Amino acid sequence: GAVVSQHPSWVICKSGTSVKIECRSLDFQATTMFWYRQFPKQSLMLMATSNEGSKATYEQGVEKDKFLINHASLTLSTLTVTSAHPEDSSFYICSAQLAGGSYNEQFFGPGTRLTVL
Amino acid sequence: GENVEQHPSTLSVQEGDSAVIKCTYSDSASNYFPWYKQELGKRPQLIIDIRSNVGEKKDQRIAVTLNKTAKHFSLHITETQPEDSAVYFCAASMMLMGNQFYFGTGTSLTVIP
Repeated sequence: GAVVSQHPSWVICKSGTSVKIECRSLDFQATTMFWYRQFPKQSLMLMATSNEGSKATYEQGVEKDKFLINHASLTLSTLTVTSAHPEDSSFYICSAQLAGGSYNEQFFGPGTRLTVL
Repeated sequence: GENVEQHPSTLSVQEGDSAVIKCTYSDSASNYFPWYKQELGKRPQLIIDIRSNVGEKKDQRIAVTLNKTAKHFSLHITETQPEDSAVYFCAASMMLMGNQFYFGTGTSLTVIP
Protein backbone atom coordinates (compact mmCIF):
# COMPACT_ATOMS: atom_id res chain seq x y z
CA GLY A 1 0.00 0.00 0.00
CA ALA A 2 0.82 3.73 0.05
CA VAL A 3 2.07 3.97 -3.52
CA VAL A 4 2.78 7.31 -5.13
CA SER A 5 3.33 7.67 -8.85
CA GLN A 6 4.67 10.51 -10.95
CA HIS A 7 4.26 11.23 -14.60
CA PRO A 8 6.26 11.69 -16.69
CA SER A 9 9.35 10.01 -15.32
CA TRP A 10 11.58 11.94 -17.70
CA VAL A 11 10.96 14.95 -19.88
CA ILE A 12 13.11 17.02 -22.18
CA CYS A 13 11.80 20.37 -23.33
CA LYS A 14 12.92 23.49 -25.08
CA SER A 15 13.67 26.65 -23.18
CA GLY A 16 10.58 28.83 -22.80
CA THR A 17 8.05 26.01 -22.80
CA SER A 18 5.98 24.85 -19.85
CA VAL A 19 6.04 21.37 -18.38
CA LYS A 20 3.42 19.74 -16.18
CA ILE A 21 4.31 16.99 -13.74
CA GLU A 22 1.64 14.86 -12.09
CA CYS A 23 1.82 13.27 -8.67
CA ARG A 24 -0.78 10.66 -7.77
CA SER A 25 -1.45 8.68 -4.63
CA LEU A 26 -2.65 5.37 -6.04
CA ASP A 27 -4.15 3.57 -3.09
CA PHE A 28 -4.78 6.21 -0.47
CA GLN A 29 -6.10 9.72 -0.10
CA ALA A 30 -3.67 12.51 0.54
CA THR A 31 -4.89 15.88 1.72
CA THR A 32 -1.31 17.08 1.66
CA MET A 33 1.37 16.56 -0.94
CA PHE A 34 4.81 18.05 -1.06
CA TRP A 35 7.07 18.98 -3.95
CA TYR A 36 10.82 18.70 -3.71
CA ARG A 37 13.68 19.48 -6.02
CA GLN A 38 16.85 17.45 -5.96
CA PHE A 39 20.07 18.34 -7.77
CA PRO A 40 22.60 15.58 -8.50
CA LYS A 41 24.21 14.27 -5.35
CA GLN A 42 22.37 16.81 -3.25
CA SER A 43 19.56 16.80 -0.77
CA LEU A 44 15.83 17.11 -1.29
CA MET A 45 14.86 20.74 -1.06
CA LEU A 46 11.26 21.40 -0.18
CA MET A 47 9.65 23.69 -2.72
CA ALA A 48 6.04 23.82 -1.64
CA THR A 49 3.25 22.22 0.31
CA SER A 50 0.18 21.36 -1.68
CA ASN A 51 -3.13 21.13 0.13
CA GLU A 52 -6.22 19.75 -1.53
CA GLY A 53 -8.69 22.48 -2.34
CA SER A 54 -6.52 25.39 -1.28
CA LYS A 55 -3.54 27.37 -2.45
CA ALA A 56 -0.12 25.88 -2.14
CA THR A 57 2.34 27.18 0.42
CA TYR A 58 5.72 27.96 -1.07
CA GLU A 59 9.05 27.87 0.70
CA GLN A 60 11.12 31.00 0.84
CA GLY A 61 12.92 31.66 -2.43
CA VAL A 62 10.59 29.55 -4.57
CA GLU A 63 8.77 31.56 -7.22
CA LYS A 64 5.09 30.70 -7.07
CA ASP A 65 4.45 32.11 -10.54
CA LYS A 66 7.23 29.97 -11.92
CA PHE A 67 6.19 26.74 -10.23
CA LEU A 68 2.42 26.47 -10.37
CA ILE A 69 0.88 23.88 -8.10
CA ASN A 70 -2.64 22.56 -8.28
CA HIS A 71 -4.10 19.98 -5.90
CA ALA A 72 -7.51 19.42 -7.37
CA SER A 73 -8.34 16.11 -5.72
CA LEU A 74 -7.32 13.94 -2.81
CA THR A 75 -5.17 11.81 -5.10
CA LEU A 76 -3.64 14.26 -7.56
CA SER A 77 -1.32 17.23 -7.36
CA THR A 78 0.35 18.83 -10.36
CA LEU A 79 3.45 20.96 -10.65
CA THR A 80 3.79 23.11 -13.75
CA VAL A 81 7.18 24.61 -14.49
CA THR A 82 6.34 27.67 -16.55
CA SER A 83 8.68 29.17 -19.13
CA ALA A 84 11.32 26.62 -18.28
CA HIS A 85 14.99 27.51 -18.59
CA PRO A 86 18.10 25.34 -18.40
CA GLU A 87 18.60 26.23 -14.74
CA ASP A 88 15.25 24.57 -14.00
CA SER A 89 16.72 21.25 -15.06
CA SER A 90 16.54 19.03 -12.03
CA PHE A 91 14.95 15.99 -10.45
CA TYR A 92 11.50 16.82 -9.09
CA ILE A 93 10.05 14.50 -6.46
CA CYS A 94 6.66 14.64 -4.86
CA SER A 95 5.49 13.02 -1.67
CA ALA A 96 2.07 12.37 -0.22
CA GLN A 97 0.92 12.16 3.33
CA LEU A 98 -1.90 9.92 4.52
CA ALA A 99 -5.02 11.91 5.22
CA GLY A 100 -6.16 12.10 8.80
CA GLY A 101 -4.65 11.05 12.10
CA SER A 102 -1.27 11.92 13.47
CA TYR A 103 0.65 9.55 11.27
CA ASN A 104 3.38 11.62 9.73
CA GLU A 105 5.10 9.47 7.15
CA GLN A 106 5.49 10.85 3.67
CA PHE A 107 5.47 8.45 0.74
CA PHE A 108 7.62 9.53 -2.15
CA GLY A 109 7.03 9.29 -5.85
CA PRO A 110 9.74 7.96 -8.16
CA GLY A 111 10.65 11.43 -9.34
CA THR A 112 10.63 13.25 -12.65
CA ARG A 113 13.83 14.19 -14.35
CA LEU A 114 13.43 17.48 -16.22
CA THR A 115 15.99 18.55 -18.79
CA VAL A 116 15.55 21.96 -20.36
CA LEU A 117 17.55 22.55 -23.51
CA GLY B 1 12.65 28.04 9.12
CA GLU B 2 14.15 24.76 10.19
CA ASN B 3 17.79 24.08 9.32
CA VAL B 4 19.06 20.52 9.38
CA GLU B 5 22.73 19.69 9.16
CA GLN B 6 24.05 16.22 8.52
CA HIS B 7 27.49 14.65 8.91
CA PRO B 8 29.46 13.07 7.44
CA SER B 9 28.72 13.66 3.78
CA THR B 10 30.47 10.42 2.83
CA LEU B 11 31.17 7.34 4.89
CA SER B 12 32.94 4.12 4.00
CA VAL B 13 32.91 1.14 6.31
CA GLN B 14 33.96 -2.48 6.09
CA GLU B 15 31.22 -5.03 5.88
CA GLY B 16 30.17 -6.02 9.37
CA ASP B 17 31.26 -2.77 10.97
CA SER B 18 28.89 -0.14 12.32
CA ALA B 19 27.99 3.15 10.68
CA VAL B 20 26.83 6.28 12.46
CA ILE B 21 25.33 9.34 10.83
CA LYS B 22 24.57 12.46 12.82
CA CYS B 23 22.12 15.30 12.31
CA THR B 24 21.37 18.51 14.12
CA TYR B 25 18.32 20.69 13.82
CA SER B 26 17.65 24.27 14.73
CA ASP B 27 13.97 24.55 15.60
CA SER B 28 13.09 23.20 19.04
CA ALA B 29 9.48 22.83 17.89
CA SER B 30 10.43 19.97 15.57
CA ASN B 31 9.09 16.76 17.01
CA TYR B 32 9.33 14.12 14.30
CA PHE B 33 12.57 12.86 12.79
CA PRO B 34 12.51 10.35 9.96
CA TRP B 35 15.44 8.77 8.20
CA TYR B 36 15.24 7.94 4.51
CA LYS B 37 17.42 5.72 2.35
CA GLN B 38 17.78 6.58 -1.30
CA GLU B 39 19.44 4.27 -3.76
CA LEU B 40 20.75 5.69 -7.01
CA GLY B 41 17.93 6.76 -9.29
CA LYS B 42 15.25 5.60 -6.89
CA ARG B 43 12.79 7.24 -4.57
CA PRO B 44 13.59 7.81 -0.89
CA GLN B 45 12.33 5.07 1.40
CA LEU B 46 11.63 5.48 5.08
CA ILE B 47 13.85 3.22 7.16
CA ILE B 48 13.16 4.41 10.68
CA ASP B 49 11.68 7.39 12.45
CA ILE B 50 11.50 8.76 15.97
CA ARG B 51 9.19 11.14 17.74
CA SER B 52 10.32 13.60 20.33
CA ASN B 53 8.68 11.78 23.20
CA VAL B 54 11.23 8.98 23.04
CA GLY B 55 15.01 8.99 23.15
CA GLU B 56 15.79 5.86 21.21
CA LYS B 57 14.17 3.48 18.77
CA LYS B 58 15.52 0.28 17.30
CA ASP B 59 14.51 -1.91 14.40
CA GLN B 60 16.78 -4.91 13.90
CA ARG B 61 20.15 -3.55 12.73
CA ILE B 62 19.00 0.06 12.63
CA ALA B 63 18.59 2.39 15.58
CA VAL B 64 18.00 6.08 16.01
CA THR B 65 18.77 8.18 19.07
CA LEU B 66 17.44 11.62 19.85
CA ASN B 67 18.77 14.27 22.21
CA LYS B 68 16.13 17.00 22.35
CA THR B 69 18.17 19.21 24.63
CA ALA B 70 21.10 19.29 22.26
CA LYS B 71 18.84 19.13 19.20
CA HIS B 72 20.62 16.30 17.55
CA PHE B 73 19.73 12.81 16.44
CA SER B 74 21.74 9.96 15.03
CA LEU B 75 21.29 6.90 12.86
CA HIS B 76 23.16 3.75 13.84
CA ILE B 77 23.51 0.82 11.49
CA THR B 78 25.16 -2.27 12.92
CA GLU B 79 26.57 -5.28 11.10
CA THR B 80 26.58 -3.37 7.85
CA GLN B 81 26.04 -5.21 4.58
CA PRO B 82 26.86 -4.19 1.00
CA GLU B 83 23.15 -3.64 0.33
CA ASP B 84 23.20 -0.90 2.95
CA SER B 85 25.21 1.19 0.50
CA ALA B 86 23.05 4.19 -0.44
CA VAL B 87 22.49 7.82 0.41
CA TYR B 88 20.83 8.41 3.75
CA PHE B 89 18.88 11.54 4.57
CA CYS B 90 17.67 12.72 7.93
CA ALA B 91 14.78 15.12 8.24
CA ALA B 92 13.04 17.19 10.87
CA SER B 93 9.37 17.99 10.96
CA MET B 94 6.72 19.49 13.18
CA MET B 95 3.88 17.05 13.38
CA LEU B 96 0.44 18.57 13.08
CA MET B 97 1.97 21.95 12.24
CA GLY B 98 2.22 21.67 8.48
CA ASN B 99 4.29 18.50 8.63
CA GLN B 100 6.86 19.82 6.19
CA PHE B 101 10.04 17.77 6.08
CA TYR B 102 13.33 19.62 6.07
CA PHE B 103 16.06 17.31 4.94
CA GLY B 104 19.70 17.14 5.83
CA THR B 105 22.32 17.23 3.11
CA GLY B 106 22.66 13.48 2.90
CA THR B 107 25.33 10.90 3.65
CA SER B 108 26.64 8.61 0.98
CA LEU B 109 27.38 5.31 2.71
CA THR B 110 29.57 2.71 1.05
CA VAL B 111 29.92 -0.69 2.64
CA ILE B 112 33.04 -2.42 1.40
CA PRO B 113 32.71 -6.21 1.08
